[in-house]
Amino acid sequence: DGGITQSPKYLFRKEGQNVTLSCEQNLNHDAMYWYRQDPGQGLRLIYYSQIVNDFQKGDIAEGYSVSREKKESFPLTVTSAQKNPTAFYLCASSIDQSTEAFFGQGTRLTVV
Amino acid sequence: GENVEQHPSTLSVQEGDSAVIKCTYSDSASNYFPWYKQELGKRPQLIIDIRSNVGEKKDQRIAVTLNKTAKHFSLHITETQPEDSAVYFCAADGGATNKLIFGTGTLLAVQP
Repeated sequence: DGGITQSPKYLFRKEGQNVTLSCEQNLNHDAMYWYRQDPGQGLRLIYYSQIVNDFQKGDIAEGYSVSREKKESFPLTVTSAQKNPTAFYLCASSIDQSTEAFFGQGTRLTVV
Repeated sequence: GENVEQHPSTLSVQEGDSAVIKCTYSDSASNYFPWYKQELGKRPQLIIDIRSNVGEKKDQRIAVTLNKTAKHFSLHITETQPEDSAVYFCAADGGATNKLIFGTGTLLAVQP
């Protein structure tokens, strides 16, 4: 499955709660990314990290937070400040931004 | 900021016909332009990529062309087959920003 794993596959959250999506890779990749996929809007970049202990905001970072304490892990927290969190979230990793990115199988988050 | 535009959003062709998807990018420092295919319910996977020092690249029935002056690149699929039906995404690296920016996707339907 490409060595990058997201969990859980489906996640339900009540309004006002924070939730953390897991992303783990064993490909020894330095770069990791989080994207949000909505119908008709493609893959929008939330956060990215080029190296451990460093990350930058993407185009739609508001209401999200990340950490990169280990090279293998890049968890995404969807906070209560995210106004429209229901979406499909994809994590990816690559050697760097100019090489093939491998995607996880995604997490579908539903706010109920 | 960096932006990648993709057209058309949907494309329907008859089996055996060719399909062309076009993308434009905004960052003149971009050097890497991959194309991903996402089948229904699956993760995006790289199908072909091109770098800025090359104008065209082919792999069997798929080819990509790049015009750096005009800042646009295109995916060409010849002799389309029903299994080519999927969503296709173009992307560009963010030059100095280390991002990987995706277009909004094209839903390709190949009619048997």
